[in-house]
Amino acid sequence: KNEVEQSPQNLTAQEGEFITINCSYSVGISALHWLQQHPGGGIVSLFMLSSGKKKHGRLIATINIQEKHSSLHITASHPRDSAVYICAVGGGTDKLIFGTGTRLQVFP
Amino acid sequence: NAGVTQTPKFRILKIGQSMTLQCAQDMNHNYMYWYRQDPGMGLKLIYYSVGAGITDKGEVPNGYNVSRSTTEDFPLRLELAAPSQTSVYFCASSKSGWSLHFGNGTRLTVT
Repeated sequence: KNEVEQSPQNLTAQEGEFITINCSYSVGISALHWLQQHPGGGIVSLFMLSSGKKKHGRLIATINIQEKHSSLHITASHPRDSAVYICAVGGGTDKLIFGTGTRLQVFP
Repeated sequence: NAGVTQTPKFRILKIGQSMTLQCAQDMNHNYMYWYRQDPGMGLKLIYYSVGAGITDKGEVPNGYNVSRSTTEDFPLRLELAAPSQTSVYFCASSKSGWSLHFGNGTRLTVT
């Protein structure tokens, strides 16, 4: 069993839909990260959180430490949100463990 | 700030050839990392460094070497390229392990 599991692996949506991507982990963590990888290949850090909820624009990330689960929500999705979203746990002196990613395609 | 700069973007190597992937950051980050990304797999840590003069192995270090003579630069050396090293390589940096900044990646093919 992988230490970081993401679901779904692939997701398609119509523009405007509300999207949820899930991440479950089995190890104790210092922090959880959400990353975005665009088709061009570059990786951008979206959020780093260790409790509660963070919001940036149309993106919301939540974490439940007791259940070892995090969700990334995208409100009013847009084709430019099409990317691979990667969950990772760790940080500081703890090495990051990455999930395999969720491929999102948003159609107009 | 340029952030994290990786070169080259693409490279094709023959089996047994050597090459160095370059990585530089201008954010004065102390931590730097090299990852590889294979299809369907999560990023795997090859080597990392917590400061100039200090390097350590990650999960998949075999076939690679690194050096960190300055805070800014963290090159990755492949000595005898093998087909198993065909992958996309990412360099990243952070301030003490938090909030990573990634380079744009190097797509390497070994034939």
